[in-house]
Amino acid sequence: GAGVSQSPSNKVTEKGKDVELRCDPISGHTALYWYRQSLGQGLEFLIYFQGNSAPDKSGLPSDRFSAERTGGSVSTLTIQRTQQEDSAVYLCASSLEATEAFFGQGTRLTVV
Amino acid sequence: GENVEQHPSTLSVQEGDSAVIKCTYSDSASNYFPWYKQELGKGPQLIIDIRSNVGEKKDQRIAVTLNKTAKHFSLHITETQPEDSAVYFCAASKYGGSQGNLIFGKGTKLSVKP
Repeated sequence: GAGVSQSPSNKVTEKGKDVELRCDPISGHTALYWYRQSLGQGLEFLIYFQGNSAPDKSGLPSDRFSAERTGGSVSTLTIQRTQQEDSAVYLCASSLEATEAFFGQGTRLTVV
Repeated sequence: GENVEQHPSTLSVQEGDSAVIKCTYSDSASNYFPWYKQELGKGPQLIIDIRSNVGEKKDQRIAVTLNKTAKHFSLHITETQPEDSAVYFCAASKYGGSQGNLIFGKGTKLSVKP
């Protein structure tokens, strides 16, 4: 694709429900990153994929958060039993190794 | 793990003046330092980057300097314009192998007053 595509762009969910956020990276990009950005805050690193493997999961805030990447392409970030503090913009980025990381527009998650 | 500190958190300048944003990093093995600009409601976009084998890089009104010994790098914007107003993030990473995750600073909100 032309850029990193994230879906949905907006998601409102009830507390306690599970949500899945999707990221379609730029075709051929081997690295994929997930970040969380709370209102007016910086980018909190969540997880990094190189191909299908995740060498660094250190940023996942709790065991309610998980992510997978299949076929070296699409990635999904799953949040189970959502809490109000999970409300944020979730950003995905992709890159070829040692080059610019391109960001998607993000998914704005609101837990009510 | 890597830790990136960024200062100031907010910066207000008059149009035409220069703006400087500074970052420090903790991991001496980091070798790639990009700067991103984020406008309201959009994802961050790369504006300039520098690798550890270079001390300075310029692109028109934007320049970045890197001091590996002190583990700090800076963004310089000259002749600022209102459209430069945005949030700027620095980042650091260790590209190569399985250690490519980008760690970001907390951002600087730049306001350029006309």
